[in-house]
Amino acid sequence: AQSVTQPDIHITVSEGASLELRCNYSYGATPYLFWYVQSPGQGLQLLLKYFSGDTLVQGIKGFEAEFKRSQSSFNLRKPSVHWSDAAEYFCAVGASSGGYQKVTFGTGTKLQVIP
Amino acid sequence: DAGVTQSPTHLIKTRGQQVTLRCSPKSGHDTVSWYQQALGQGPQFIFQYYEEEERQRGNFPDRFSGHQFPNYSSELNVNALLLGDSALYLCASNLAGGPPPGELFFGEGSRLTVL
Repeated sequence: AQSVTQPDIHITVSEGASLELRCNYSYGATPYLFWYVQSPGQGLQLLLKYFSGDTLVQGIKGFEAEFKRSQSSFNLRKPSVHWSDAAEYFCAVGASSGGYQKVTFGTGTKLQVIP
Repeated sequence: DAGVTQSPTHLIKTRGQQVTLRCSPKSGHDTVSWYQQALGQGPQFIFQYYEEEERQRGNFPDRFSGHQFPNYSSELNVNALLLGDSALYLCASNLAGGPPPGELFFGEGSRLTVL
């Protein structure tokens, strides 16, 4: 069974500083990997996804993530954080079972942005 | 293009009662998944419906049941509510086998409080 670990529960960064959120996954085959963002009281919005090919993927809102198979990681990065990026971020791994996809989420990292 | 819609947005129940939550998938989608998100946690997979049948199920008791209708909308039913069932219930939809696999679109959730 697949699983996701997000080791950082809470991260605080200054506005304009760079950001890296860590994600490690466990899955026996080539994974489908996702990063979602959730603002308070809202549903989840897809930031970016990786299925195959280029290991550096670009997403919305200036985010990017790099897939490293050797480290089983899919870390999310942003060069310069904006106050509006304050939210909770979830890494997820998708896997197929019997022809149907199941997506498993990590426990999330809450991002606080200070002026 | 209507996204995923869920109702009700908030509800309060007492222990032992039953609740029904509703979800309409994004236009063009045929698969609905339900997730439970407890406070401070990541979404936990409950089950997935496709062609009006439950196709996958997470580690949830039989008190959690669902249904999918011919128009692809779905219901989540929870019987004999426990305090621990208090959570945000998220509905997600996707197109089975459609590119990219496993990319989910989420509604804003139904916040259930059990007293």
